[in-house]
Amino acid sequence: RKEVEQDPGPFNVPEGATVAFNCTYSNSASQSFFWYRQDCRKEPKLLMSVYSSGNEDGRFTAQLNRASQYISLLIRDSKLSDSATYLCVVPRAGGSYIPTFGRGTSLIVHP
Amino acid sequence: EAGVAQSPRYKIIEKRQSVAFWCNPISGHATLYWYQQILGQGPKLLIQFQNNGVVDDSQLPKDRFSAERLKGVDSTLKIQPAKLEDSAVYLCSSGDPFTDTQYFGPGTRLTVL
Repeated sequence: RKEVEQDPGPFNVPEGATVAFNCTYSNSASQSFFWYRQDCRKEPKLLMSVYSSGNEDGRFTAQLNRASQYISLLIRDSKLSDSATYLCVVPRAGGSYIPTFGRGTSLIVHP
Repeated sequence: EAGVAQSPRYKIIEKRQSVAFWCNPISGHATLYWYQQILGQGPKLLIQFQNNGVVDDSQLPKDRFSAERLKGVDSTLKIQPAKLEDSAVYLCSSGDPFTDTQYFGPGTRLTVL
């Protein structure tokens, strides 16, 4: 299994829809997970951290499933402005925190 | 609070030429990362510094790429000589030491002709 895998999409959804992305990882000892958002031709920006207990911020919910080794991002009530690429970050195996980015999942929200 | 600064924003060179990119991280961030992002892919970590020491450079093509962070603040990434496949966006980020979160600069878009 690759260190981190994401379905590249694109996920094409109408406004108001609920959409979820998964990101699988291979390092079972991983501790710090993140979701970043990247707009076209822009730099990645932190969307949210993923805690063991889950994390919710408005319409966004991030979950961690250690048993199956994946993290998820749920977006409720999608807006046109949510159209972007969503990158997951997992740490590489080893003592120091060394981040590995997934290839990203493209989301297109249409009217 | 000032963000991560990078320069230049764009660079066009011919293959076999040299190029250098500069990054100034957020004040107080000890960790600095350089990434290469090719179109359609996620950022690939090239090198990670903690202060002026290297934490990881396992994916840095050391025959042509080099990076330094001499005083533990700003950093330079160099490519010499450049190849066509080096065309990419080079992103620099600095890390919050307490949360492992990263803050990215705007990137340098390199085109090698």
